[in-house]
Amino acid sequence: GAGVSQSPSNKVTEKGKDVELRCDPISGHTALYWYRQSLGQGLEFLIYFQGNSAPDKSGLPSDRFSAERTGGSVSTLTIQRTQQEDSAVYLCASRPPSGGLGTQYFGPGTRLLVL
Amino acid sequence: AQSVTQLDSQVPVFEEAPVELRCNYSSSVSVYLFWYVQYPNQGLQLLLKYLSGSTLVKGINGFEAEFNKSQTSFHLRKPSVHISDTAEYFCAVSEVTGGGNKLTFGTGTQLKVEL
Repeated sequence: GAGVSQSPSNKVTEKGKDVELRCDPISGHTALYWYRQSLGQGLEFLIYFQGNSAPDKSGLPSDRFSAERTGGSVSTLTIQRTQQEDSAVYLCASRPPSGGLGTQYFGPGTRLLVL
Repeated sequence: AQSVTQLDSQVPVFEEAPVELRCNYSSSVSVYLFWYVQYPNQGLQLLLKYLSGSTLVKGINGFEAEFNKSQTSFHLRKPSVHISDTAEYFCAVSEVTGGGNKLTFGTGTQLKVEL
């Protein structure tokens, strides 16, 4: 079946611009996660959605970062007023309902470069 | 909070030789343990996971890992590596209860298999 998809695969933007990154999780997966992979910080958790519950935003690095998940499916990560330190690969993952026992399935990522 | 330590940033090994990638973790609560592999320009793929039960876990591509609670380790092993195993390997943990199964990753180990 189809895996997690992310778009765009690559994004180049200028400092100060806003960007939106999209994630389509695996159908039927109730949990969705965003992670960031950067040279300086490694792989770090950003935000987590579970069903209709309030998202866990504890990993967002600043208030310039936000995310939403519409209809319990597609998610968009928005970075406002981008900075060069935001350059990274943004990974999305989804997890099935409780039977998944913690296994997350990752998308290919969006590589963001802020000039 | 949890933390994961992968002491070896790079491990060179000859083809058909055995390899061990080390992972140690720290947590005040019970955790699930995972190894993910990332091939160049691709997303993360689950190699294996420890949830409970037998401490020796077998995964895909001939990899296995052993959970050692007293040493808080989860080292990854393969008895005979192939060129195609060249990739970056990430050890990760998530809380068994609470925390939404968000993953805390180590900094990764680059495995380079040479002829």
